[in-house]
Amino acid sequence: DQQVKQNSPSLSVQEGRISILNCDYTNSMFDYFLWYKKYPAEGPTFLISISSIKDKNEDGRFTVFLNKSAKHLSLHIVPSQPGDSAVYFCAASERSSASKIIFGSGTRLSIRP
Amino acid sequence: GAVVSQHPSRVICKSGTSVKIECRSLDFQATTMFWYRQFPKQSLMLMATSNEGSKATYEQGVEKDKFLINHASLTLSTLTVTSAHPEDSSFYICSAKFTRNTEAFFGQGTRLTVV
Repeated sequence: DQQVKQNSPSLSVQEGRISILNCDYTNSMFDYFLWYKKYPAEGPTFLISISSIKDKNEDGRFTVFLNKSAKHLSLHIVPSQPGDSAVYFCAASERSSASKIIFGSGTRLSIRP
Repeated sequence: GAVVSQHPSRVICKSGTSVKIECRSLDFQATTMFWYRQFPKQSLMLMATSNEGSKATYEQGVEKDKFLINHASLTLSTLTVTSAHPEDSSFYICSAKFTRNTEAFFGQGTRLTVV
């Protein structure tokens, strides 16, 4: 049972435009959400997070939106740059528990010139 | 950000031997460390959670006798793959948190190939 789902395995966006990566979750106990970026043969790098008490968090070109009623979050990257090409993982955890992080299957983002 | 160092980055071993992977938090004390495994083109699958000084909590389906985890200090956790077989070949990644309410920082991963 996948608790965190990323239904788009890949996404291609033109440089300079907005990249929108989507994520859905099923566990209503999740109260902390994270996005990680991963290059091949490297560990994931933390990008941005959001607590369930918020619906938006912004950090530079990256903004994460959370819709708790829909159990949906998204990562917006604007403007998209060539260096953004990577696999992006959505992740979720319950802060009140052991705080283990559950990952989605990832979305491969390709930024085309 | 915080640094987590994982060693080795690549290892090739013969079937039946054991391999140890180290995960160190370099500039913080990690209250909790996690071990993940990633198969090609798949997500990171949590294998186990370890807290310093206590036994690791393994996820369902992960053999605790095969994947030995030791979290001896607040800066070091080790994963030992015992009696490795070709199907254990994978990318193993550790992560560490320094408090309950923070994001996890990841090591660079270890590519294990069992021949």
